[in-house]
Amino acid sequence: DAGITQSPRHKVTETGTPVTLRCHQTENHRYMYWYRQDPGHGLRLIHYSYGVKDTDKGEVSDGYSVSRSKTEDFLLTLESATSSQTSVYFCAISTSGTYEQYFGPGTRLTVT
Amino acid sequence: SQQGEEDPQALSIQEGENATMNCSYKTSINNLQWYRQNSGRGLVHLILIRSNEREKHSGRLRVTLDTSKKSSSLLITASRAADTASYFCATGLDDKIIFGKGTRLHILP
Repeated sequence: DAGITQSPRHKVTETGTPVTLRCHQTENHRYMYWYRQDPGHGLRLIHYSYGVKDTDKGEVSDGYSVSRSKTEDFLLTLESATSSQTSVYFCAISTSGTYEQYFGPGTRLTVT
Repeated sequence: SQQGEEDPQALSIQEGENATMNCSYKTSINNLQWYRQNSGRGLVHLILIRSNEREKHSGRLRVTLDTSKKSSSLLITASRAADTASYFCATGLDDKIIFGKGTRLHILP
């Protein structure tokens, strides 16, 4: 899986609690992305990073924040989880912004 | 939005037949990509076609791109049971790619 890991792989949390998902790569790729996948919506971009400390919003960024302090790690934080954030979250990496992306195995998050 | 829209949403064919999926998009692009997703797994990149290319092949895959019609097609020849998956087109522009909602392909034995 192109040297990408996500942790945790599964998480159940309660509404209002903070949650942090981690994406780790060993490929030294510049670009990293966070997506969510929901039935009927395909993959939607939450945030992405084009370098250490360089991030930008995607189409569904409300309620999420990200940080990238090292090339290999990209963290996604839900400051106060809501039931609408129940989803499968995928991390992806790329050498260039618009070229092929390599995906992690996903994190299934359930907010009760 | 430059999101691609795949057609059909779902497709069932007999093993050995060819499968064709289409993608339409709305704005200019740098490239168009196709990905496969097996149930419960991450997406896997299949093929990329640049905006100045019209056709590209990779093994049993054939992709066409018509920028005047803002459309692309993915042909999988001689389908196999292992091709059962969801297929997504993705359009690339401005440091990111935008995915469509996918076509679910089911290969019948």
